[in-house]
Amino acid sequence: QQPVQSPQAVILREGEDAVINCSSSKALYSVHWYRQKHGEAPVFLMILLKGGEQKGHEKISASFNEKKQQSSLYLTASQLSYSGTYFCGTEGYGQNFVFGPGTRLSVLP
Amino acid sequence: GAVVSQHPSRVICKSGTSVKIECRSLDFQATTMFWYRQFPKQSLMLMATSNEGSKATYEQGVEKDKFLINHASLTLSTLTVTSAHPEDSSFYICSARLQGRYQPQHFGDGTRLSIL
Repeated sequence: QQPVQSPQAVILREGEDAVINCSSSKALYSVHWYRQKHGEAPVFLMILLKGGEQKGHEKISASFNEKKQQSSLYLTASQLSYSGTYFCGTEGYGQNFVFGPGTRLSVLP
Repeated sequence: GAVVSQHPSRVICKSGTSVKIECRSLDFQATTMFWYRQFPKQSLMLMATSNEGSKATYEQGVEKDKFLINHASLTLSTLTVTSAHPEDSSFYICSARLQGRYQPQHFGDGTRLSIL
């Protein structure tokens, strides 16, 4: 079952922060985050494996609350290069990997 | 890092033509590769999971006789769109994954297929 992402789209000014949420109705053991720019393939950002785990990648970090079956991606001091569509992908017990619908992020100068 | 090469990047052909897309893992062995299809402004929809040395597992609604998948070696999987029609036009992306439960997927650059 496809996870839910929110918001669907967000527009930021350079330097502003954003949070993208991903939630599932199924029990999860991993959450993946990818970024896809227009016309290109998705690029892996990070994977979270344990409940409460947090990870960081440059100024992009994420958390995973296993009990709530939710993950959040945090983008701080956004740069123009952060523009793109962000997908979470979830994998759970008895559930194969599935991508969320995506969140379109636009960073304006 | 893990690199996946997908070829060709773009195909334009006439209706009724069969098109083959290759997906190679360049610096690792991938026992499992995935084929996705993506329409504009939509998410990636898994078409099939390709396992080396065995038959591919197709998702519900995907015609296996239409989309032939072959995973002949640990580094190569191919997707053949047989007798393609305009409705098959889309962005096709492959990915490969190292063995193990918690491995990320590494994507090829995608193939934009346009059927006239």
